[in-house]
Amino acid sequence: EVQLVESGGGLVQPGRSLRLSCAASGFVFDDYAMEWVRLAPGKGLEWVAGISWDSGSIGYGDSVKGRFTISRDTAKNSVYLQMKSLRPEDTALYYCAKGSKSYIQGGLDVWGQGTTVTVS
Amino acid sequence: TVVTQSPATLSVSPGERVTLSCRATQSVSTNVAWYQQKPGQAPRLLIYDASPRASGIPARFSGSGSGTEFTLTISSLQSEDVAVYYCQQYDDWPTFGQGTKLEIK
Repeated sequence: EVQLVESGGGLVQPGRSLRLSCAASGFVFDDYAMEWVRLAPGKGLEWVAGISWDSGSIGYGDSVKGRFTISRDTAKNSVYLQMKSLRPEDTALYYCAKGSKSYIQGGLDVWGQGTTVTVS
Repeated sequence: TVVTQSPATLSVSPGERVTLSCRATQSVSTNVAWYQQKPGQAPRLLIYDASPRASGIPARFSGSGSGTEFTLTISSLQSEDVAVYYCQQYDDWPTFGQGTKLEIK
């Protein structure tokens, strides 16, 4: 079964850091881009960050650029989101998602259930 | 690239045809996906590359368009289609539209 399981969310004070993890299983992790998308309360989906299959192409949404870092670990079939200088407006449900292609130019065909980050 | 969806909310009777619109501020070719998100659930990919249906998606869902104008059509609305629908462009760094909330009349 193809599965993504996020972890690492929680309550954090403004200005502090948090690291989210996403464990992947059921597919060849090395072949696909991985991305993070968030859903803030009362808002729509927002693309946060993405990383290509080989970590050669990495991108961030404008609101998190310079504060968040995405990475992946092939040996652990995992992708991470290091979040620094957190702000109240970063409060959201963070989803890990699998790209349908090797690069960050494709639909997201598998999603985790999300992990909640509250900055307060 | 900014993506704008319309309408923000749509109320439709069961069995009726539904058309949702998505517009990009610059050409994104056919690099557009559509997602369905029901309350308490993760989003689900419906359409990728503007028109092909994702695996397991019913045939009543179809996508069309290219350049800056895109459409998601539900040929005959079912009660289980109540959800928020998002379009996403991935021609450059991805961006989502603000969503269309679809309700049953």
